[in-house]
Amino acid sequence: GNSVTQMEGPVTLSEEAFLTINCTYTATGYPSLFWYVQYPGEGLQLLLKATKADDKGSNKGFEATYRKETTSFHLEKGSVQVSDSAVYFCALSDRYSGAGSYQLTFGKGTKLSVIP
Amino acid sequence: EAQVTQNPRYLITVTGKKLTVTCSQNMNHEYMSWYRQDPGLGLRQIYYSMNVEVTDKGDVPEGYKVSRKEKRNFPLILESPSPNQTSLYFCASSFGRGEQFFGPGTRLTVL
Repeated sequence: GNSVTQMEGPVTLSEEAFLTINCTYTATGYPSLFWYVQYPGEGLQLLLKATKADDKGSNKGFEATYRKETTSFHLEKGSVQVSDSAVYFCALSDRYSGAGSYQLTFGKGTKLSVIP
Repeated sequence: EAQVTQNPRYLITVTGKKLTVTCSQNMNHEYMSWYRQDPGLGLRQIYYSMNVEVTDKGDVPEGYKVSRKEKRNFPLILESPSPNQTSLYFCASSFGRGEQFFGPGTRLTVL
């Protein structure tokens, strides 16, 4: 079956520090990969995505590259801000995950706290 | 404004008392889904719907029912809630395999 493994944290960084959140996956087919962000008290929002190998998704200074050879999709940001404090979820959508389902398979989430 | 709405946002109930959590989207999406979020487990899919009158089980469907009579609505029904269904619930919708849009969540406590 499909699975996503990400570093669980929590992660605490000082403002302007470099961020990496590791994500690796297993999938039966050729998945699309996503990072979602959940701010306190809110639902999940799509942060970035990549649909094929070597694609780089980017948004709000965050980046992640689809690495098929290492089955990874690590999230990075060069300089975090206090407003980036949130829970980050890595996820995949595999067109072969049964009967046309567009199910997202999520990692367990990584809580990031950025302190001034 | 394009959005997914859920009601109620917070609910405390007792074991065995039937309840419904509503979900509505205004984006004309075919696909809708329910997830539950639990500490240390991430999000797990409960049920999904590919279109009107088409629903199927996700990974954790036991104790839940859904219906899809209209494209915009996808209610989650707990016929006889139990304490292990205490959780944070999210509804989501999308055009096929595109970006999934999530509602704000419903925090349910079953005593």
